[in-house]
Amino acid sequence: EPEVTQTPSHQVTQMGQEVILRCVPISNHLYFYWYRQILGQKVEFLVSFYNNEISEKSEIFDDQFSVERPDGSNFTLKIRSTKLEDSAMYFCARVSDTQYFGPGTRLTVL
Amino acid sequence: GDSVTQMEGPVTLSEEAFLTINCTYTATGYPSLFWYVQYPGEGLQLLLKATKADDKGSNKGFEATYRKETTSFHLEKGSVQVSDSAVYFCALRNTGFQKLVFGTGTRLLVSP
Repeated sequence: EPEVTQTPSHQVTQMGQEVILRCVPISNHLYFYWYRQILGQKVEFLVSFYNNEISEKSEIFDDQFSVERPDGSNFTLKIRSTKLEDSAMYFCARVSDTQYFGPGTRLTVL
Repeated sequence: GDSVTQMEGPVTLSEEAFLTINCTYTATGYPSLFWYVQYPGEGLQLLLKATKADDKGSNKGFEATYRKETTSFHLEKGSVQVSDSAVYFCALRNTGFQKLVFGTGTRLLVSP
């Protein structure tokens, strides 16, 4: 059920730069999650976003991170000043009866 | 807090062998349980799920039964194929629209 797309598929950035990762639902959903997966490690929850507000966030989701729904459809995850340890796959997931994940964005911080 | 424990991998099998990947969980309440699969270079795909005790989830020849008494949700397949080679993640969601809590993943390698 590939109803979520993510752009870009791969982002390479320099340490300290800002990145914006986008999640585009094909149908209109109100409830989205962001997760990340450091290479070879477990998938970790970052933040949940419901009806244009953060409903829950993890310890990982510090002040460097923010989420928005800038145009009423796309969801964005922004990292203000990237660090080397932010290198990971970032997944968004839409929620219906379960969570359906997008294909992910691979972020590489150099 | 809630947690999921999976057997460490990699699990290496020959084609047509029987597969078991163990998963146990710790949670308050009555969680829903999931198996997700991640093929090389791809995202996470839902493989199967079970929402209450004794439910059996099944898909593509894979099965898992929600065992509340042993807090387990082991993944099984009777005859694996090379195309099943992937990383398998067990996960739980406690109630409603809460976040998924994942295990560390188990890599399965199937050789011809």
